Amino acid sequence: EVQLVESGGGLVQPGGSLRLSCAASGFTLSSYWMSWVRQAPGKGLEWVANIKQDGSEEYYVDSVKGRFTISRDNAKNSLYLQMNSLRAEDTAVYYCARDLSAAGGEGGNWGQGTLVTVSS
Amino acid sequence: DTVMTQSPLSLPVTPGEPASISCRSSQSLLHSNGYNYLNWYLQKPGQSPQLLIYLASKRASGVPDRFSGSGSGTDFTLKISRVEAEDVGIYYCMQALRARTFGQGTKVEIK
Repeated sequence: EVQLVESGGGLVQPGGSLRLSCAASGFTLSSYWMSWVRQAPGKGLEWVANIKQDGSEEYYVDSVKGRFTISRDNAKNSLYLQMNSLRAEDTAVYYCARDLSAAGGEGGNWGQGTLVTVSS
Repeated sequence: DTVMTQSPLSLPVTPGEPASISCRSSQSLLHSNGYNYLNWYLQKPGQSPQLLIYLASKRASGVPDRFSGSGSGTDFTLKISRVEAEDVGIYYCMQALRARTFGQGTKVEIK
């Protein structure tokens, strides 16, 4: 069974940093693009970033470019999101997801999310 | 950037009746391989999103056949042939051709 478990969320002051982790199991992480998606309280879904299977390509939504970094450690079955210079508008539940496109017939799996609150 | 626009944003439905949600993309989602990179996700209350449809018309594993997806290029539709009470939630379309972008979501609720 595919499982994605996020951790690392919490309360942080504006301008602070946080590192999210996503532990993957039930599939071979190195075979899939992985993404982070966020959902602000009461709002819709916003794709944040994704990373290629071997980590050689990364893409970001404009609002986090230069502040967030996605990375992965396939040997540790883990995905990460380093978030720096956090702003109030970054407050959201952050989900990790396996291959959002599911173009290969597998994918589209999400974790349960971890809440990040940016407030003084 | 590719903008995804859904309509309606709110959809009251009667169990047993059909329902339809539209999704329009600001750019074509047709890949050179002939597939349209458009997915539909459902977020049930209090849950993480789940994949319903990928590549515009392919049902994900375990998804009931009352759900169907259609469309090509910039215009797509999700149809539920007979709505059931468990189908309530927010439906999102998402393009996967250029990075990823979600639509605003369509809230489906029982009348």
